[in-house]
Amino acid sequence: GAVVSQHPSRVICKSGTSVKIECRSLDFQATTMFWYRQFPKQSLMLMATSNEGSKATYEQGVEKDKFLINHASLTLSTLTVTSAHPEDSSFYICSAQLHRDTQYFGPGTRLTVL
Amino acid sequence: ELKVEQNPLFLSMQEGKNYTIYCNYSTTSDRLYWYRQDPGKSLESLFVLLSNGAVKQEGRLMASLDTKARLSTLHITAAVHDLSATYFCAVDRETSGSRLTFGEGTQLTVNP
Repeated sequence: GAVVSQHPSRVICKSGTSVKIECRSLDFQATTMFWYRQFPKQSLMLMATSNEGSKATYEQGVEKDKFLINHASLTLSTLTVTSAHPEDSSFYICSAQLHRDTQYFGPGTRLTVL
Repeated sequence: ELKVEQNPLFLSMQEGKNYTIYCNYSTTSDRLYWYRQDPGKSLESLFVLLSNGAVKQEGRLMASLDTKARLSTLHITAAVHDLSATYFCAVDRETSGSRLTFGEGTQLTVNP
């Protein structure tokens, strides 16, 4: 299957700082990527849909000013957690859509905010 | 609002046994997905079910979809330890795009 990478895989930061997570589709172009978060022992929650060349679409309850998404090219979407706080600590997973029925998931980024 | 419920949430079974995981969803959808997640890892796609009555099998896993009942099942045959993982179903919310709503996940432990 197709490969989606995320960087970094783990990040620890201090409260109040911003953290950028990159999601790359390595062998296909993705006009649409998705960002999810997963708390320990819980399910995945869709945060936003990232569309190349346009603004991201955020799910209800997700603060767009806190979770900045930029989909600058067909192979790269970034999620920036601004002014991170301990409650933002989570596992963030991106996916890239190859076509309507297929999303390839990245390996995830574990964010710990101290 | 689309709700996706899995049952059971925790499943401990012995090797060699059979069991079924159920996934119910609350509104009409024509696409249902099953994923596997190992601890600390991301998701691995298992099955995509695209129509009523769809049945797919891979190894010891078989998935089916009944869109009228809004129910999908993941059947495990003769379980082996390597199947221990968390299994998620996910439903596509809409007719365009692929915004997925995930079930709570079923944590499967297969004991030797």
